[in-house]
Amino acid sequence: GQNIDQPTEMTATEGAIVQINCTYQTSGFNGLFWYQQHAGEAPTFLSYNVLDGLEEKGRFSSFLSRSKGYSYLLLKELQMKDSASYLCAVILGFQKLVFGTGTRLLVSP
Amino acid sequence: DVKVTQSSRYLVKRTGEKVFLECVQDMDHENMFWYRQDPGLGLRLIYFSYDVKMKEKGDIPEGYSVSREKKERFSLILESASTNQTSMYLCASSLDQGIQETQYFGPGTRLLVL
Repeated sequence: GQNIDQPTEMTATEGAIVQINCTYQTSGFNGLFWYQQHAGEAPTFLSYNVLDGLEEKGRFSSFLSRSKGYSYLLLKELQMKDSASYLCAVILGFQKLVFGTGTRLLVSP
Repeated sequence: DVKVTQSSRYLVKRTGEKVFLECVQDMDHENMFWYRQDPGLGLRLIYFSYDVKMKEKGDIPEGYSVSREKKERFSLILESASTNQTSMYLCASSLDQGIQETQYFGPGTRLLVL
């Protein structure tokens, strides 16, 4: 079976930095996506990692270690609008994604 | 901007009814997907389609069928709705240009089966 683990919920303060972890044990691996999903809305693409290392995109960065089956999403200079769920998804094969259960991030003033 | 739309945001149906959920994308994407999203379980793939009239089962196809008569439209059908099909249903689409193509999601349909 496929196993993707993320913390259920995290809290942080506006302006802080938060790291959301994702560990995976899957039958295949062709890359990893992070999506953001605000309550009641569609998931939107944040980042894609296929090689080990850090990918930076403005306030958001994503890291991958394939040997450890581990990824994290780093959010800097947190804003209230970053309160959302963050979904980790492993690409198993052609267009086939397996999602974690998501991490709900609450940002407080 | 890619736009994926779903016919209803909220739907209430009775057990045994036949239910149609419609999804339309406007970016000429080859691939379309239906997921359901449940608390504690994440998104799970029901069916996907990589071309008109083509369909493939996902991880949880039981109790569902799909139809893709036109490239832009992908329908999910619950032949006889049951209470355990109460869920959030999300449609997605993507280009057919590589394994890493981003999937673009619609806003979802929250279905309640009574």
